[in-house]
Amino acid sequence: GDSVTQMEGPVTLSEEAFLTINCTYTATGYPSLFWYVQYPGEGLQLLLKATKADDKGSNKGFEATYRKETTSFHLEKGSVQVSDSAVYFCALSFGGTSYGKLTFGQGTILTVHP
Amino acid sequence: DAGITQSPRYKITETGRQVTLMCHQTWSHSYMFWYRQDLGHGLRLIYYSAAADITDKGEVPDGYVVSRSKTENFPLTLESATRSQTSVYFCASTDRERKHTGELFFGEGSRLTVL
Repeated sequence: GDSVTQMEGPVTLSEEAFLTINCTYTATGYPSLFWYVQYPGEGLQLLLKATKADDKGSNKGFEATYRKETTSFHLEKGSVQVSDSAVYFCALSFGGTSYGKLTFGQGTILTVHP
Repeated sequence: DAGITQSPRYKITETGRQVTLMCHQTWSHSYMFWYRQDLGHGLRLIYYSAAADITDKGEVPDGYVVSRSKTENFPLTLESATRSQTSVYFCASTDRERKHTGELFFGEGSRLTVL
């Protein structure tokens, strides 16, 4: 079946450091890919998405590129802030044929220190 | 306010009791979902619904029951709670347009502890 694998956490960084969170997927076909973020005590929010190969999703300084050849969608940010501390989830969906169901990775906890 | 709300936000119950988690959305979204979040597993889909009176099983449906008599409500019932059902439960919804790209809107979660 479809699956998403994220790098093991937790990830601890100092403010202004560079962030990479790796995400790879296994799926039959070409899914849409997502990064969701969960701030402490809150539900998940969509951070960015890409719907086809070579698309780059971006939001709030975060970026991720849909790489079909490596089945990857790694999340990056050039300079993290304390407010970026959260849990980050990579996910995939086949949209129309799957009622919009998302398959999630296990989540990566990010902590940013001042 | 418009949005998706879950209740209760926190619940402690005992093994064998019936528990119902409520989910209400004000957007008239057709599609609704229940996920559970557990450490090391991310979010796993329990049940989903494409419209009122249409529901289907997700990845981990055993021990749960859902109903959807009205578009805006999607309650999740644990008929006889077990300790393995201790988790954080998230309700989500989306509309016909966004479901093609898989963008979901999540509630704040319900933390359930089964003793």
